[in-house]
Amino acid sequence: EIVMTQSPVTLSVSPGERATLSCTASQSVSSNLAWYQQKPGQPPRLLIYGASTRAPNIPARFSGSGSGTEFTLTISSLQSEDFAVYYCHQYFNWPRGTFGPGTKVDL
Amino acid sequence: EVQMEQSGGGLIQPGGSLRLSCEVSGFTLSGYEMHWVRQTPVKGLEWLSSISSTGKTIYYADSLKGRSTFSRDNAKSSVFLQMHSLRDEDTGIYYCATTIIDAFDFWGQGTTVTVSS
Repeated sequence: EIVMTQSPVTLSVSPGERATLSCTASQSVSSNLAWYQQKPGQPPRLLIYGASTRAPNIPARFSGSGSGTEFTLTISSLQSEDFAVYYCHQYFNWPRGTFGPGTKVDL
Repeated sequence: EVQMEQSGGGLIQPGGSLRLSCEVSGFTLSGYEMHWVRQTPVKGLEWLSSISSTGKTIYYADSLKGRSTFSRDNAKSSVFLQMHSLRDEDTGIYYCATTIIDAFDFWGQGTTVTVSS
């Protein structure tokens, strides 16, 4: 099984600041990597797929990069509605996949 | 607008069974794969099962294999997850999800399953 790790566990930022979240796979997943945002009481929401493609209706301040084993989600200028938990998800052996433990972005 | 309405969770005794349902609207179910994902305090988000658009190909995570059945009724725009021999570690929030473009791009609101005596 491909194990996903995320860092940091918690990221404390202020509105308007840049947030950089990291995700590492235990082996190469090529570009088969997605990022999700989850707020309390809600299901995950797809932000990025294919490591760097924004899902429909996702603001341009969200961007993804990386391939192989190292990936990054960047929020260029944090808005109040962006405080949430972010998960990476590898789907190299589609549809089987694994998720990271999450990074909580808070004030 | 894509919507996915889930039902069927609740409090179940260890060893019991349950059937989760997910009714979709806003897209034609018969054209798309569907998935079940659960979220637990211990394991976090965990992919459980996927079914092809026709229902002919089904995948299960090892944690469900042999005690679960994923099925679909395209005419009723619904998918179902039947689970047996439930254990404490099956407690969590169960989500149905679909792939319209890539990854898991639309999710149901989730249904809570609690396995406890």
